[in-house]
Amino acid sequence: DAGITQSPRHKVTETGTPVTLRCHQTENHRYMYWYRQDPGHGLRLIHYSYGVKDTDKGEVSDGYSVSRSKTEDFLLTLESATSSQTSVYFCAISDTGGLGNEQFFGPGTRLTVL
Amino acid sequence: AQSVTQLDSQVPVFEEAPVELRCNYSSSVSVYLFWYVQYPNQGLQLLLKYLSGSTLVKGINGFEAEFNKSQTSFHLRKPSVHISDTAEYFCAVGSGGSYIPTFGRGTSLIVHP
Repeated sequence: DAGITQSPRHKVTETGTPVTLRCHQTENHRYMYWYRQDPGHGLRLIHYSYGVKDTDKGEVSDGYSVSRSKTEDFLLTLESATSSQTSVYFCAISDTGGLGNEQFFGPGTRLTVL
Repeated sequence: AQSVTQLDSQVPVFEEAPVELRCNYSSSVSVYLFWYVQYPNQGLQLLLKYLSGSTLVKGINGFEAEFNKSQTSFHLRKPSVHISDTAEYFCAVGSGGSYIPTFGRGTSLIVHP
């Protein structure tokens, strides 16, 4: 299994509070991604990174920010959590940007915003 | 732009029966396609992928998929399912210069004894 960990694995927070989710990889892969998974919507891309300090927005980036100061860590921050951000969040990595490259997924973080 | 449609949100089937999970895509350029599986409370893992060449692609755990360009489909099949195949299955499509695939909404395969 690819070495990807996510922390925390579960979190319950209140509306309006900041939340940071961490993705850590030991594979030295260049590309990292944050997805959210919701019933009926499948996986939707929030943000991705194509190198240290190089990030870009995905299709559902509003209300989220990311940072990548080291190859191995990709942080997702909800500046002020809302109930609509209750979801399961997955981090993924891939070693190249080539067409057809496989993504490896972390175990997920279940976030509940009350 | 690329998009993918998984036609069934849920597919119930009995153990040892064959199964087909349907996936259709839209793209104006050449595509590459994936099927991922997600077991309960886990992340996704790759089942198989199509980049080019033979249109019949074999994956892990006895699954296979056939790329049909004229019908813009990439259906996943298994001739005999097991209880352990119960999981969520995601089809994904990438195209053109984008290395980030678009995922479908998923199909829940439920295998009954």
